[in-house]
Amino acid sequence: AQSVTQLGSHVSVSEGALVLLRCNYSSSVPPYLFWYVQYPNQGLQLLLKYTTGATLVKGINGFEAEFKKSETSFHLTKPSAHMSDAAEYFCAVSDNQGYQKVTFGTGTKLQVIP
Amino acid sequence: NAGVTQTPKFRVLKTGQSMTLLCAQDMNHEYMYWYRQDPGMGLRLIHYSVGEGTTAKGEVPDGYNVSRLKKQNFLLGLESAAPSQTSVYFCASNLGAVRDDTQYFGPGTRLTVL
Repeated sequence: AQSVTQLGSHVSVSEGALVLLRCNYSSSVPPYLFWYVQYPNQGLQLLLKYTTGATLVKGINGFEAEFKKSETSFHLTKPSAHMSDAAEYFCAVSDNQGYQKVTFGTGTKLQVIP
Repeated sequence: NAGVTQTPKFRVLKTGQSMTLLCAQDMNHEYMYWYRQDPGMGLRLIHYSVGEGTTAKGEVPDGYNVSRLKKQNFLLGLESAAPSQTSVYFCASNLGAVRDDTQYFGPGTRLTVL
């Protein structure tokens, strides 16, 4: 069984400030973790993913996430927020059950204040 | 490449009416998925397909049917729409069942059932 919890359905940051979006997971097997981003009126697109190896993963648009097994966390960060980062972000964990079973979190909407 | 496309983009139905949502992908992906997205609930899997001619139930299949007659197309049908099916529907596809694969999403169909 697997699950994802995203703390905070809405997060507001000022332009130029640090972005921190929290994600905790539960998985019965070593987790494969993803962050997807959804811009208004668009589908989801992959931001970054962790499978094995280096625990600090870099993604597109300056985002990165760190896998911490001891904390069962996979928080997403960006040093300096841009207005274009305003979107909804989904953390997800995947499993193989004859298909790629992806369990999504409930999402965090990021607002960037000028 | 157009990626994953969905038609229509918007639709309003009356209770009891039927409709079909079309998903098409030009990436030669084997696996295709239909999700629904509701506020505060993330994405939930309705049905999926592991190849042409195959379909299977996901997490929330009741009230929906699907068909995959051609590898590039995955159709989602509502035989008798209900207000509880008001949602945004996303189609996704990927190469295989491997856990680290990336799913590619369409832009979504916003459905309102009155």
